[in-house]
Amino acid sequence: GAGVSQSPSNKVTEKGKDVELRCDPISGHTALYWYRQSLGQGLEFLIYFQGNSAPDKSGLPSDRFSAERTGGSVSTLTIQRTQQEDSAVYLCASSLVGIAGAFTDTQYFGPGTRLTVL
Amino acid sequence: DAKTTQPNSMESNEEEPVHLPCNHSTISGTDYIHWYRQLPSQGPEYVIHGLTSNVNNRMASLAIAEDRKSSTLILHRATLRDAAVYYCILPIYNQGGKLIFGQGTELSVKP
Repeated sequence: GAGVSQSPSNKVTEKGKDVELRCDPISGHTALYWYRQSLGQGLEFLIYFQGNSAPDKSGLPSDRFSAERTGGSVSTLTIQRTQQEDSAVYLCASSLVGIAGAFTDTQYFGPGTRLTVL
Repeated sequence: DAKTTQPNSMESNEEEPVHLPCNHSTISGTDYIHWYRQLPSQGPEYVIHGLTSNVNNRMASLAIAEDRKSSTLILHRATLRDAAVYYCILPIYNQGGKLIFGQGTELSVKP
């Protein structure tokens, strides 16, 4: 079946512009996660959705970052007034049940969106 | 939250077994041990998970110490396609199972 898809695959933008990154999770997956991977840094957690609500936004680096999920499916991560330090690969993952099965639930990752801020 | 420690890098020869260690000395009784790997230019992919007993699947085996303070991911016959960064993770169950990635072990496989 179809896996997690993300768009665009690459995004180049100028400092100060807003960007939107999209994630289409696996159909039927309740939980959705955003991570980012910067050059020289590991993968860091950004935000987690259970259905349409985001019980954990603790990883968002600043108030320039926001995310929403509608219809329990597609999610968008928005970065306002982008800065050069926002350059990274943004990864989305989904899992079947999230918190209800967090002990054993496995996450399926998309290919990521590479964001470059000039 | 329980932390994991892994060697930064390991090397293996093709067709030979590989044992990737992970220490998690502060693991709690309900923490599952998950392994993911990230191939070059790809998102991470799930490999295996376990709680107390050793586990096998088509990709790998997971050996868990009796005291659960360490575990070992075993690739029975390494191939060039197994070259990746391998992450040992204890998902945070009360926060939706979010994954906290450490540095992982970069495995290189020589032909």
